[in-house]
Amino acid sequence: TQLLEQSPQFLSIQEGENLTVYCNSSSVFSSLQWYRQEPGEGPVLLVTVVTGGEVKKLKRLTFQFGDARKDSSLHITAAQPGDTGLYLCAGGGGGSQGNLIFGKGTKLSVKP
Amino acid sequence: KAGVTQTPRYLIKTRGQQVTLSCSPISGHRSVSWYQQTPGQGLQFLFEYFSETQRNKGNFPGRFSGRQFSNSRSEMNVSTLELGDSALYLCASSLVTFTNTDTQYFGPGTRLTVL
Repeated sequence: TQLLEQSPQFLSIQEGENLTVYCNSSSVFSSLQWYRQEPGEGPVLLVTVVTGGEVKKLKRLTFQFGDARKDSSLHITAAQPGDTGLYLCAGGGGGSQGNLIFGKGTKLSVKP
Repeated sequence: KAGVTQTPRYLIKTRGQQVTLSCSPISGHRSVSWYQQTPGQGLQFLFEYFSETQRNKGNFPGRFSGRQFSNSRSEMNVSTLELGDSALYLCASSLVTFTNTDTQYFGPGTRLTVL
């Protein structure tokens, strides 16, 4: 069974700080997606990474897919209160059919 | 373009009852996936429908079922409700049958509470 472990589970920081969220597995994933979910809303896709070692940047967010495609990280520079939310990673299993496996998420709170 | 809509947004049922949740995808999207989200288990895939056919299924008991209509709207049904079925049920739509690198758009969810 493929599992994705996210850490930390909770993170409370001050505005302007940097942070990194990790997503780890013992299994290889064909792709990995990161989502952000705000209270009362569904998750919103932030990025998809497919190649081992791939790095993608989205403004102050930097996403990295591990060389072995078993892990990923999300780094936020100079966090802002608007970054508050639940960050979820989701791995794509083998084959072309969609069947995403989600981590349990990291709940981020950025205080002004 | 309107987003994914789910009705109802909140629902309270008692054990043993059954419930039907509805999802209207983004106009033009033909794939609808359903997920269950709980604090303990996180987001878990239930099933995906494309062109009225179930294309993929997660590891949930047969009490969980779904269907898709010709206009791509989808419903999921849970029979003989158990306390553990209390969760946020999310649906997501994508243009064609979802693959792992596609973008799927989530609705706001239906919060089901089983008493």
